[in-house]
Amino acid sequence: RKEVEQDPGPFNVPEGATVAFNCTYSNSASQSFFWYRQDCRKEPKLLMSVYSSGNEDGRFTAQLNRASQYISLLIRDSKLSDSATYLCVVNTPSGAGSYQLTFGKGTKLSVIP
Amino acid sequence: DTAVSQTPKYLVTQMGNDKSIKCEQNLGHDTMYWYKQDSKKFLKIMFSYNNKELIINETVPNRFSPKSPDKAHLNLHINSLELGDSAVYFCASSRSRDFQETQYFGPGTRLLVL
Repeated sequence: RKEVEQDPGPFNVPEGATVAFNCTYSNSASQSFFWYRQDCRKEPKLLMSVYSSGNEDGRFTAQLNRASQYISLLIRDSKLSDSATYLCVVNTPSGAGSYQLTFGKGTKLSVIP
Repeated sequence: DTAVSQTPKYLVTQMGNDKSIKCEQNLGHDTMYWYKQDSKKFLKIMFSYNNKELIINETVPNRFSPKSPDKAHLNLHINSLELGDSAVYFCASSRSRDFQETQYFGPGTRLLVL
């Protein structure tokens, strides 16, 4: 089983649609969780952290279910500018007090006019 | 001002050559990283340094040697380049090695080995 699994998509949605991405992780010792966004030929950038109680940032809502080792991202009222690849990222202990980010392969979103 | 910068942005070279990629961050962060993103877009950690000390060294060939002259710089030297080394290499930094810290990525270096 891959450490972080995501549906690769692509998700092609019309403007204004609501779209949800799912992610599962295999290491139960994982401590923190993030969604990063990567535009074509650009570097990944943090979109939002994911907290156990769930959290919202404008049109974006992230949820975490530690028992099921499952993370989700919901985007409401999609904009053209939301078109990107969304990376599910999990921070896992790597020993000696260090942690490392493990990235999913990403889910590609295309928002269509 | 660029927070995490890498040079060069593009690197095209022949198999067998030795090349270096430089990374600098002006965020005052303690921890820096090198990642490799291959043709399948899979982003994977290679190395991490905290205050110039190597803390993560994933299973990469020993042809790859990171060097951190100070905590604002983390360079990557690659010996005897192979076709499979072609990828985008991202440098990143974070305030500390704490698990909650956000990592900030550089723009990437696109390496093509011919």
